[in-house]
Amino acid sequence: EVQLAESGGGLVQPEGSLRLSCIASGFNFGDWWMHWVRLLPGKGLEWVARIIGDGSSITYADSVKGRFTVSRDNARSTLFLQMHSLRVDDTAVYFCARDGGPGFQGYAAYWGLGTLVTVS
Amino acid sequence: DIQMTQSPSSLAASVGDSVTITCRASRSVNKFLNWYQFKVGKAPKLLIYEAASLQSGVPPRFSGSGSGTHFILTITNLQPEDFATYYCHQSYTTLGTFGLGTRLEIK
Repeated sequence: EVQLAESGGGLVQPEGSLRLSCIASGFNFGDWWMHWVRLLPGKGLEWVARIIGDGSSITYADSVKGRFTVSRDNARSTLFLQMHSLRVDDTAVYFCARDGGPGFQGYAAYWGLGTLVTVS
Repeated sequence: DIQMTQSPSSLAASVGDSVTITCRASRSVNKFLNWYQFKVGKAPKLLIYEAASLQSGVPPRFSGSGSGTHFILTITNLQPEDFATYYCHQSYTTLGTFGLGTRLEIK
């Protein structure tokens, strides 16, 4: 069974930093595109970033480019999102998700429960 | 960016009813339209991908149709567990964009 578990959220001041983690199980992690998606209060969903299985291709939303960095450790089946220069409007629940695959499909077939990041 | 417009924004229905949720794209997304279900305290769930393909494990009372700019999610024989918020998502462009959601409530 595919499982994704995010952690690392919390309360942070504006301009602060936070690192989210997502531990995956139930599939061969290194074979899959992974995504970060966030649910912004009152504004809906936004796709934050995606990363290919070997980490060689990464795409970011314009709203986070230059501030957020996505990475992965395939040996530990873990996805990361390093967030710097956080803004109040980055407040959201952050979800990690696995792509539909195989290869890149662009939709999230499996999601974690999410972790809340509050910038205030 | 492609804008996704969902309607209605909220909907009240009873167990056993059928409902439809519409999603319109500001320009064609071909067949690359997906539907998700969000419930508080649960992991979001992919229901339909590429407009009409039912994700494995999703009950067949969920169905999707459409192409280009107009898409529909239909839920027949509503069950108590179906009361949730539904989002459409276009994956035609890089990273894609979401609709603002439809909240399905019990009447």
